Amino acid sequence: KNQVEQSPQSLIILEGKNCTLQCNYTVSPFSNLRWYKQDTGRGPVSLTIMTFSENTKSNGRYTATLDADTKQSSLHITASQLSDSASYICVVSLGFQKLVFGTGTRLLVSP
Amino acid sequence: SQTIHQWPATLVQPVGSPLSLECTVEGTSNPNLYWYRQAAGRGLQLLFYSVGIGQISSEVPQNLSASRPQDRQFILSSKKLLLSDSGFYLCAVLRQGSYNEQFFGPGTRLTVL
Repeated sequence: KNQVEQSPQSLIILEGKNCTLQCNYTVSPFSNLRWYKQDTGRGPVSLTIMTFSENTKSNGRYTATLDADTKQSSLHITASQLSDSASYICVVSLGFQKLVFGTGTRLLVSP
Repeated sequence: SQTIHQWPATLVQPVGSPLSLECTVEGTSNPNLYWYRQAAGRGLQLLFYSVGIGQISSEVPQNLSASRPQDRQFILSSKKLLLSDSGFYLCAVLRQGSYNEQFFGPGTRLTVL
């Protein structure tokens, strides 16, 4: 069964600290993996997208890694800001039309 | 660049009432369009996708239907809403390229009472 599992479910960190979110997937065939940021009541916004041949990709303070052998990905946030408070969703693409979504990690950055 | 509009932003409807949610896209032609639902505490679920006018593919059997009357317009409808139809409805457009990335609209929050 195609699944994407994320951990932790929720996380609270102090402003300025770093954090790492995890994503494990059992999806086949694999096309690419995306991380989205979703603010409360808004649509998801793409942060990074990687194919199986890409091990890491950065977008500002966000760095995603991908290990296609172990089917794991992580999203590292450096020097967190209050505006980083959101849900972070890991999404794996099976192909042209098919996406498998994780349930997300809810991050709260506290002042 | 592509822009996605969804209307309305929020909606509260009684059980048994009809539904019509609208998604319009700017900045592209003949886009692939998608309707997703996000229930509380759950991941996004693909409901319908469309590769062209009048072409609708349904992913899960349900109380909802979709239509694409114009190239850049995608409508989500129901004749009689159920409590379980409550959720956050997102429209997305495919940007074809090396990643075939989907971009999401602002969403519609539907509450069925």
